[in-house]
Amino acid sequence: ELKVEQNPLFLSMQEGKNYTIYCNYSTTSDRLYWYRQDPGKSLESLFVLLSNGAVKQEGRLMASLDTKARLSTLHITAAVHDLSATYFCAVDPARRSGYALNFGKGTSLLVTP
Amino acid sequence: GAVVSQHPSRVICKSGTSVKIECRSLDFQATTMFWYRQFPKQSLMLMATSNEGSKATYEQGVEKDKFLINHASLTLSTLTVTSAHPEDSSFYICSGGGVYGYTFGSGTRLTVV
Repeated sequence: ELKVEQNPLFLSMQEGKNYTIYCNYSTTSDRLYWYRQDPGKSLESLFVLLSNGAVKQEGRLMASLDTKARLSTLHITAAVHDLSATYFCAVDPARRSGYALNFGKGTSLLVTP
Repeated sequence: GAVVSQHPSRVICKSGTSVKIECRSLDFQATTMFWYRQFPKQSLMLMATSNEGSKATYEQGVEKDKFLINHASLTLSTLTVTSAHPEDSSFYICSGGGVYGYTFGSGTRLTVV
């Protein structure tokens, strides 16, 4: 069974600071997704990482994938309050759309003044 | 991009009644539809996977007679919660799988009173 572990699960950080969320997974996969969820809302796609060494950046967020280490990171640069949300990583267990994503437990991020 | 339209967004029903949730893929063919439920402050839990024209595959512990899934076409899948009880209150999210990867609906907040 594919396991996906995120840490930390809760993160309170001050505006302007940097931090990294980690996503470890237990079996071979080269397809990893990051999502953002605001309270009461569904998932918003942030990044799709499709190969070893993939790095993608959007604004203050940057995601990377190391398939050999089975590790993805989501780095937050100079956090602002608008980034407060829950972030999920999800791993595609197979290269076919017939298999559901395996989600981590999520990281609840609160950015304070 | 690919869009999955999910309705209703919120529904309140009386205990013992049934509720139907619809998910339509608007600009792509969802060969597979995944149904999730999410309890407050928790991750997404896969309930079932359905492929167009065939019976859904339910995850362990999910009652197939209670959560009826129909995937009659490549653009429409429905989840019917039968004889709903307060413990069925949750946030339900569908996700279409196809050539564009995974696309999530906007979610349905079900409250059973």
